[in-house]
Amino acid sequence: QVQLQESGPGLVKPSQTLSLTCAVSSVSVSSGGNYWSWIRQPPGEGLEWIGYILYSGSTNYNPSLKSRLTISLDTSQNQFSLKLSSLTAADTAVYYCARSTSVGGWKFDPWGQGTLVTVSS
Amino acid sequence: DIVMTQSPDSLAVSLGERATINCKSSQSVLHSSSNRYYLAWYQQKPGQPPKLLISWASTRESWVPDRFSGSGSGTDFTLTISSLQAEDVAVYYCQQYYSPPLTFGGGTKVEIK
Repeated sequence: QVQLQESGPGLVKPSQTLSLTCAVSSVSVSSGGNYWSWIRQPPGEGLEWIGYILYSGSTNYNPSLKSRLTISLDTSQNQFSLKLSSLTAADTAVYYCARSTSVGGWKFDPWGQGTLVTVSS
Repeated sequence: DIVMTQSPDSLAVSLGERATINCKSSQSVLHSSSNRYYLAWYQQKPGQPPKLLISWASTRESWVPDRFSGSGSGTDFTLTISSLQAEDVAVYYCQQYYSPPLTFGGGTKVEIK
Protein backbone atom coordinates (compact mmCIF):
# COMPACT_ATOMS: atom_id res chain seq x y z
CA GLN A 1 0.00 0.00 0.00
CA VAL A 2 1.01 3.63 -0.40
CA GLN A 3 3.36 4.89 2.31
CA LEU A 4 4.75 8.34 2.95
CA GLN A 5 7.68 9.41 5.11
CA GLU A 6 8.68 12.96 5.97
CA SER A 7 12.25 14.05 6.58
CA GLY A 8 13.96 17.31 7.40
CA PRO A 9 15.64 19.34 10.13
CA GLY A 10 14.07 19.32 13.55
CA LEU A 11 15.29 22.80 14.42
CA VAL A 12 15.38 25.89 12.24
CA LYS A 13 16.29 29.47 13.12
CA PRO A 14 13.85 32.35 12.76
CA SER A 15 13.91 34.10 9.36
CA GLN A 16 15.42 31.01 7.72
CA THR A 17 13.81 28.71 5.16
CA LEU A 18 12.42 25.30 6.09
CA SER A 19 12.97 22.46 3.64
CA LEU A 20 11.10 19.17 4.07
CA THR A 21 10.85 16.10 1.88
CA CYS A 22 8.17 13.42 1.67
CA ALA A 23 9.33 10.09 0.27
CA VAL A 24 6.56 8.09 -1.37
CA SER A 25 6.53 4.32 -1.84
CA SER A 26 4.31 1.93 -3.81
CA VAL A 27 3.10 4.58 -6.23
CA SER A 28 4.81 7.04 -8.53
CA VAL A 29 4.37 10.68 -7.56
CA SER A 30 3.84 11.39 -11.26
CA SER A 31 1.12 8.81 -11.75
CA GLY A 32 -2.18 10.29 -12.78
CA GLY A 33 -4.87 11.27 -10.38
CA ASN A 34 -2.74 11.89 -7.30
CA TYR A 35 -2.54 15.05 -5.22
CA TRP A 36 0.30 15.37 -2.72
CA SER A 37 -0.34 17.61 0.26
CA TRP A 38 1.44 19.12 3.22
CA ILE A 39 -0.51 19.64 6.44
CA ARG A 40 0.77 20.97 9.75
CA GLN A 41 -0.27 20.84 13.38
CA PRO A 42 1.19 23.17 16.03
CA PRO A 43 1.79 21.41 19.36
CA GLY A 44 -1.52 20.81 21.11
CA GLU A 45 -3.50 22.49 18.34
CA GLY A 46 -5.53 21.61 15.27
CA LEU A 47 -4.73 20.87 11.65
CA GLU A 48 -3.90 23.36 8.90
CA TRP A 49 -3.67 22.43 5.24
CA ILE A 50 -0.58 24.02 3.69
CA GLY A 51 -0.97 23.15 0.04
CA TYR A 52 -0.82 20.43 -2.57
CA ILE A 53 0.99 19.56 -5.76
CA LEU A 54 -0.68 17.59 -8.49
CA TYR A 55 0.97 14.69 -10.29
CA SER A 56 1.41 17.05 -13.24
CA GLY A 57 3.31 19.58 -11.14
CA SER A 58 0.61 22.22 -10.77
CA THR A 59 0.08 23.53 -7.27
CA ASN A 60 -2.56 25.00 -4.97
CA TYR A 61 -1.46 26.81 -1.83
CA ASN A 62 -3.25 28.00 1.27
CA PRO A 63 -3.53 31.78 0.78
CA SER A 64 -2.34 32.30 4.35
CA LEU A 65 1.06 30.83 3.43
CA LYS A 66 1.23 31.39 -0.32
CA SER A 67 3.76 34.23 -0.28
CA ARG A 68 6.30 32.08 1.60
CA LEU A 69 5.63 28.65 0.15
CA THR A 70 6.94 26.42 -2.62
CA ILE A 71 5.93 22.78 -3.14
CA SER A 72 7.70 20.77 -5.80
CA LEU A 73 7.95 17.23 -7.19
CA ASP A 74 11.14 15.20 -7.59
CA THR A 75 10.17 12.34 -9.85
CA SER A 76 13.69 10.92 -9.95
CA GLN A 77 13.57 10.30 -6.20
CA ASN A 78 9.80 9.67 -6.09
CA GLN A 79 9.27 12.38 -3.52
CA PHE A 80 7.84 15.83 -3.12
CA SER A 81 9.12 18.75 -1.11
CA LEU A 82 8.10 21.83 0.82
CA LYS A 83 10.01 25.08 1.21
CA LEU A 84 8.68 27.67 3.65
CA SER A 85 10.58 30.91 4.00
CA SER A 86 10.81 33.69 6.58
CA LEU A 87 10.09 31.37 9.48
CA THR A 88 8.79 32.56 12.84
CA ALA A 89 7.91 30.74 16.06
CA ALA A 90 4.36 30.45 14.75
CA ASP A 91 5.61 27.96 12.16
CA THR A 92 6.61 25.50 14.90
CA ALA A 93 4.53 22.40 14.23
CA VAL A 94 4.42 18.76 13.27
CA TYR A 95 4.46 18.70 9.48
CA TYR A 96 2.64 15.86 7.73
CA CYS A 97 2.52 14.82 4.11
CA ALA A 98 -0.54 13.05 2.75
CA ARG A 99 -2.16 11.84 -0.47
CA SER A 100 -5.47 12.66 -2.09
CA THR A 101 -6.87 11.35 -5.34
CA SER A 102 -9.00 12.76 -8.10
CA VAL A 103 -11.44 9.88 -7.65
CA GLY A 104 -11.71 10.25 -3.89
CA GLY A 105 -11.53 14.02 -3.70
CA TRP A 106 -9.26 16.10 -1.52
CA LYS A 107 -9.54 14.01 1.61
CA PHE A 108 -6.26 12.72 3.02
CA ASP A 109 -5.32 9.07 3.07
CA PRO A 110 -2.73 7.92 3.89
CA TRP A 111 -0.63 10.30 6.01
CA GLY A 112 3.02 10.17 6.86
CA GLN A 113 4.08 9.84 10.50
CA GLY A 114 4.94 13.53 10.68
CA THR A 115 8.07 15.43 11.57
CA LEU A 116 8.34 18.03 14.32
CA VAL A 117 9.90 21.31 13.27
CA THR A 118 10.83 23.82 15.95
CA VAL A 119 11.64 27.40 14.99
CA SER A 120 13.97 28.83 17.58
CA SER A 121 17.28 30.64 17.81
CA ASP B 1 -12.77 30.00 2.93
CA ILE B 2 -15.17 27.40 4.32
CA VAL B 3 -15.02 27.52 8.10
CA MET B 4 -15.60 24.24 9.94
CA THR B 5 -16.89 24.53 13.49
CA GLN B 6 -16.86 21.50 15.77
CA SER B 7 -18.62 21.01 19.08
CA PRO B 8 -18.02 20.22 21.81
CA ASP B 9 -14.30 20.80 22.26
CA SER B 10 -14.18 17.75 24.50
CA LEU B 11 -16.49 15.17 25.98
CA ALA B 12 -16.22 12.39 28.54
CA VAL B 13 -18.40 9.35 28.01
CA SER B 14 -18.74 6.15 30.00
CA LEU B 15 -17.65 2.91 28.39
CA GLY B 16 -20.48 1.48 26.33
CA GLU B 17 -22.32 4.78 26.11
CA ARG B 18 -22.91 6.96 23.05
CA ALA B 19 -20.63 9.80 21.99
CA THR B 20 -21.84 12.44 19.57
CA ILE B 21 -19.65 15.03 17.84
CA ASN B 22 -21.00 17.87 15.75
CA CYS B 23 -19.47 19.69 12.80
CA LYS B 24 -20.93 22.68 11.01
CA SER B 25 -19.69 24.14 7.73
CA SER B 26 -20.03 27.83 6.95
CA GLN B 27 -21.37 27.00 3.51
CA SER B 28 -22.65 23.95 1.69
CA VAL B 29 -20.18 21.16 0.89
CA LEU B 30 -22.69 19.30 -1.27
CA HIS B 31 -21.41 18.75 -4.79
CA SER B 32 -24.49 19.09 -6.97
CA SER B 33 -23.25 16.90 -9.83
CA SER B 34 -22.52 13.91 -7.60
CA ASN B 35 -25.05 14.68 -4.85
CA ARG B 36 -22.33 13.86 -2.33
CA TYR B 37 -21.20 15.77 0.73
CA TYR B 38 -17.46 16.47 0.61
CA LEU B 39 -17.05 15.94 4.34
CA ALA B 40 -14.55 13.64 6.06
CA TRP B 41 -13.88 12.60 9.65
CA TYR B 42 -10.47 11.67 11.07
CA GLN B 43 -9.35 9.99 14.27
CA GLN B 44 -6.06 11.04 15.83
CA LYS B 45 -4.55 9.15 18.74
CA PRO B 46 -1.69 10.63 20.79
CA GLY B 47 1.62 10.67 18.95
CA GLN B 48 0.04 9.43 15.71
CA PRO B 49 -1.05 11.09 12.49
CA PRO B 50 -4.74 11.49 11.81
CA LYS B 51 -6.38 8.50 10.20
CA LEU B 52 -9.29 8.74 7.76
CA LEU B 53 -12.39 7.37 9.43
CA ILE B 54 -15.34 8.42 7.28
CA SER B 55 -15.66 10.07 3.89
CA TRP B 56 -18.59 11.47 1.91
CA ALA B 57 -20.11 12.32 5.31
CA SER B 58 -21.24 8.76 5.98
CA THR B 59 -19.02 6.15 4.28
CA ARG B 60 -16.83 4.25 6.73
CA GLU B 61 -13.34 3.20 5.73
CA SER B 62 -12.80 -0.57 5.62
CA TRP B 63 -10.95 -0.68 8.94
CA VAL B 64 -13.60 1.23 10.89
CA PRO B 65 -15.88 -0.68 13.30
CA ASP B 66 -19.59 -0.26 12.68
CA ARG B 67 -20.08 1.47 16.03
CA PHE B 68 -18.84 4.57 14.20
CA SER B 69 -21.33 6.33 11.96
CA GLY B 70 -21.49 9.62 10.13
CA SER B 71 -24.58 11.53 9.19
CA GLY B 72 -25.79 14.96 8.28
CA SER B 73 -27.19 17.21 5.64
CA GLY B 74 -27.10 20.82 4.63
CA THR B 75 -24.29 22.30 6.66
CA ASP B 76 -24.63 20.17 9.80
CA PHE B 77 -22.86 16.86 10.28
CA THR B 78 -22.49 14.37 13.12
CA LEU B 79 -20.05 11.64 14.05
CA THR B 80 -21.55 9.09 16.43
CA ILE B 81 -19.81 6.37 18.38
CA SER B 82 -22.67 4.15 19.44
CA SER B 83 -20.90 2.29 22.23
CA LEU B 84 -17.64 3.86 23.32
CA GLN B 85 -14.68 1.53 23.71
CA ALA B 86 -11.38 2.28 25.43
CA GLU B 87 -9.56 2.26 22.10
CA ASP B 88 -11.78 5.09 20.80
CA VAL B 89 -10.10 7.64 23.07
CA ALA B 90 -8.74 10.15 20.56
CA VAL B 91 -9.24 13.55 19.02
CA TYR B 92 -11.68 13.61 16.12
CA TYR B 93 -11.57 16.16 13.30
CA CYS B 94 -13.96 16.95 10.48
CA GLN B 95 -12.64 18.29 7.18
CA GLN B 96 -14.29 19.75 4.11
CA TYR B 97 -12.80 18.71 0.80
CA TYR B 98 -15.28 20.61 -1.35
CA SER B 99 -12.98 23.47 -2.22
CA PRO B 100 -9.50 24.78 -1.42
CA PRO B 101 -8.29 26.02 0.93
CA LEU B 102 -9.10 22.68 2.50
CA THR B 103 -10.12 23.24 6.09
CA PHE B 104 -10.55 21.28 9.30
CA GLY B 105 -12.68 21.68 12.37
CA GLY B 106 -10.92 22.49 15.60
CA GLY B 107 -11.15 18.95 16.91
CA THR B 108 -13.11 17.16 19.65
CA LYS B 109 -11.28 15.24 22.35
CA VAL B 110 -13.12 12.09 23.46
CA GLU B 111 -12.26 10.65 26.85
CA ILE B 112 -13.59 7.97 29.17
CA LYS B 113 -15.72 9.14 32.09
